[in-house]
Amino acid sequence: GAVVSQHPSWVICKSGTSVKIECRSLDFQATTMFWYRQFPKQSLMLMATSNEGSKATYEQGVEKDKFLINHASLTLSTLTVTSAHPEDSSFYICSARLGIQRLGNQPQHFGDGTRLSIL
Amino acid sequence: SQQGEEDPQALSIQEGENATMNCSYKTSINNLQWYRQNSGRGLVHLILIRSNEREKHSGRLRVTLDTSKKSSSLLITASRAADTASYFCATGGGADGLTFGKGTHLIIQP
Repeated sequence: GAVVSQHPSWVICKSGTSVKIECRSLDFQATTMFWYRQFPKQSLMLMATSNEGSKATYEQGVEKDKFLINHASLTLSTLTVTSAHPEDSSFYICSARLGIQRLGNQPQHFGDGTRLSIL
Repeated sequence: SQQGEEDPQALSIQEGENATMNCSYKTSINNLQWYRQNSGRGLVHLILIRSNEREKHSGRLRVTLDTSKKSSSLLITASRAADTASYFCATGGGADGLTFGKGTHLIIQP
């Protein structure tokens, strides 16, 4: 089955640090990857859509300069949380979909998430 | 933004009993998906039901969809301790990301 690998799984760092999270599709090519954020005991909220070779599309309220997304290849998207502060502490999860899907009638494949704790 | 509500928000049952979770959504859909999330982990896809389907089965899972009421239900039969997790319904997909419900936290008591 399709596997998405996310790294690191847990990060603890000081306020002001920039943190990079990687999302890789291991056995398939993903033209589109998605980044979600999840606060404790809450649901997932879509942050941005990462498109290979083009700029990411951000959801309303998500700061583009704060959350930098790069999708340089068909198997890798990165999310960089720049100058992270305690309020950025959260669980970040990526997902990918196989190739080109019409009408979205295919499941998305999720990474295991990255727990980010900013001190 | 959240697509809709799920109820109950939390459900605790005895092992072997059936668990039913409900989901409501707001917009028209092409399909609705259910995912499971174990604590501190990513999501695992359980089942997808298309808008022209009313019911779908997969092992111990049964999903129904009522597009007239914009609602769906997930039934887990003969529950097991390993079914303890949070369950989310989701709509969207395709070129767009998924919009998730608030989720139901299911606890199976051994």
